Amino acid sequence: QKEVEQDPGPLSVPEGAIVSLNCTYSNSAFQYFMWYRQYSRKGPELLMYTYSSGNKEDGRFTAQVDKSSKYISLFIRDSQPSDSATYLCAMRVNYGGATNKLIFGTGTLLAVQP
Amino acid sequence: DAGVTQSPTHLIKTRGQHVTLRCSPISGHKSVSWYQQVLGQGPQFIFQYYEKEERGRGNFPDRFSARQFPNYSSELNVNALLLGDSALYLCASSLLGAGDTQYFGPGTRLTVL
Repeated sequence: QKEVEQDPGPLSVPEGAIVSLNCTYSNSAFQYFMWYRQYSRKGPELLMYTYSSGNKEDGRFTAQVDKSSKYISLFIRDSQPSDSATYLCAMRVNYGGATNKLIFGTGTLLAVQP
Repeated sequence: DAGVTQSPTHLIKTRGQHVTLRCSPISGHKSVSWYQQVLGQGPQFIFQYYEKEERGRGNFPDRFSARQFPNYSSELNVNALLLGDSALYLCASSLLGAGDTQYFGPGTRLTVL
């Protein structure tokens, strides 16, 4: 079993829709949760960064973390064609000052249709 | 400000050859991490270097090695290339060694024939 599970999609939605992207994980030691956006043949770009449980909002993006269920979500409101990309969830434990190794999901391919 | 830069952009090698990939972190960042991203998968951690010392190593064979230079740039070396080494190799830089946001470069796409 992978430490982080993510539905690879593809997910196709019409412009203006609310998009929900999710990841589940098995390692209860994960404390830091991130969402990266990756356009085709480019490097990942950090979208959201959350510590422990709770919600965080940034413009059209909202990240939710439920540590009791080992489940994280990214919501995109008023989706735009420019949001079409692969969305990667990433997590790490608190290594006590040693390393900042990230564990990634497989990524979900999102297509927003105009 | 310039982001993370990587060279070369693309590379084609044959099985058994050796390859060196290069990364320059964001100015002021002292930590560099390397990840391998196979098509259709998320990135997998290979190495992290901070202040020229190895701080972490992923589950990769000894054919993979890396180092960090005094100017904080880094090289990833892969010996005896296999077809399965074909991937996008990503470099990420962060200000500090741990607990810090990582910023990724555009990657080097390696094809092994």
